[in-house]
Amino acid sequence: DIVMTQSPDSLAVSLGERATINCRSSQSVLYRSNNRNYLAWYQQKPRQPPKLLIYWASTRESGVPDRFSGSGSGTDFTLTISSLQADDVAVYYCQQYYDLPRTFGQGTMVAVK
Amino acid sequence: EVQLVESGGGLIMPGGSLRLSCAASGFTFTNAWMSWVRQAPGKGLEWVGRIKPKTDGGTTDYAAPVKGRFTISRDDSKNTLYLQMNSLKTEDTAIYYCTTDGLIRGHTFDYWGQGTLVTVSS
Repeated sequence: DIVMTQSPDSLAVSLGERATINCRSSQSVLYRSNNRNYLAWYQQKPRQPPKLLIYWASTRESGVPDRFSGSGSGTDFTLTISSLQADDVAVYYCQQYYDLPRTFGQGTMVAVK
Repeated sequence: EVQLVESGGGLIMPGGSLRLSCAASGFTFTNAWMSWVRQAPGKGLEWVGRIKPKTDGGTTDYAAPVKGRFTISRDDSKNTLYLQMNSLKTEDTAIYYCTTDGLIRGHTFDYWGQGTLVTVSS
């Protein structure tokens, strides 16, 4: 199984400041034939289902604010919130869809400092 | 608009069985890959399994903790996905989400239902 490890487990950031979440996979999720990273990011607010934010490691889902961005390749990935808003308080998960079983990171809780 | 509505959750004793349903609308269910994802109380997300559309063989895949106990099926005439859960264990206690599996965006879980809570307890 591909193990996904996020860091940190939680972080508190002041409103308007940058939040950075890291995700590392135990093996590469880059599919060389199409040069795509099979990596997604989800946001889960309290008492809600997760919501897809980013796929192919860096493509924002429709309607997702451009303060959210994804980067990285191979085994190391980053989700950045460029200017934290109160509405961004949530748990964020990375997930690989390169192989079965599909696996998620343990989640990173983002709070306002 | 894509909608996924789960039902069938509840309190069940260890060793018991339960069937969850997911009513889908707003897309062509017949052609859709579908998955179940669960979340234990206060914990992270865990993929349970998936089913392909009949055009891709209609086959299923499962996570190791549920293989042999859970069965995913679909009724395309009713636009409904099912999760039959047998030999339930306390560690199966979770919110169970029905998701599309790459409806539009790779094989991500691009749409989610609100979930249904399954509690396995004596």
